[in-house]
Amino acid sequence: ETGVTQSPTHLIKTRGQQVTLRCSSQSGHNTVSWYQQALGQGPQFIFQYYREEENGRGNFPPRFSGLQFPNYSSELNVNALELDDSALYLCASSTTGTDEGTQYFGPGTRLLVL
Amino acid sequence: GESVGLHLPTLSVQEGDNSIINCAYSNSASDYFIWYKQESGKGPQFIIDIRSNMDKRQGQRVTVLLNKTVKHLSLQIAATQPGDSAVYFCAETSSYGQNFVFGPGTRLSVLP
Repeated sequence: ETGVTQSPTHLIKTRGQQVTLRCSSQSGHNTVSWYQQALGQGPQFIFQYYREEENGRGNFPPRFSGLQFPNYSSELNVNALELDDSALYLCASSTTGTDEGTQYFGPGTRLLVL
Repeated sequence: GESVGLHLPTLSVQEGDNSIINCAYSNSASDYFIWYKQESGKGPQFIIDIRSNMDKRQGQRVTVLLNKTVKHLSLQIAATQPGDSAVYFCAETSSYGQNFVFGPGTRLSVLP
């Protein structure tokens, strides 16, 4: 177990709706990264948050947004959901500012868009 | 764009044999690599990492080899056990601690 928790575990939404996913980082970690994993594929980097600001972003549209809170937990928000947004959403926590760059993943939130 | 790929999408090995999972990466600027194991319904689990200033690193029953000349990474699992059955991903980054690029994964099946 990594100590990274995510909620909810599963979620069903309809096209056009909005969703918020939550992540609590491992104790001692100050950085949270979000990834999207489509079925049968490797995770794809969405963005990273450090010091409550976005610290890098992958090739995802602006309707994917996020927040990081003072306790280092984070939210991923997706607006105007599309069918292709159906995937496992993973958050990973790590420490920025040290020599340690390993990212440790939570169990993920499985999102189904109908 | 740059990507990380795997030579073999599936690998079946007998219990007790050694397993070798391979990975080719295309970004010559990558300086940090991680192998993750993902079991069904779970998030990726860290196995072992290696930095670009090393060519070999050993853990408990696992060894990672890095050949920067041909941009190749491998994961060796000694005495493969049924609990090793999972999908294995290599991940690389050229922006240390930030964006990791994952390959499509290799499914390892351990036969009794």
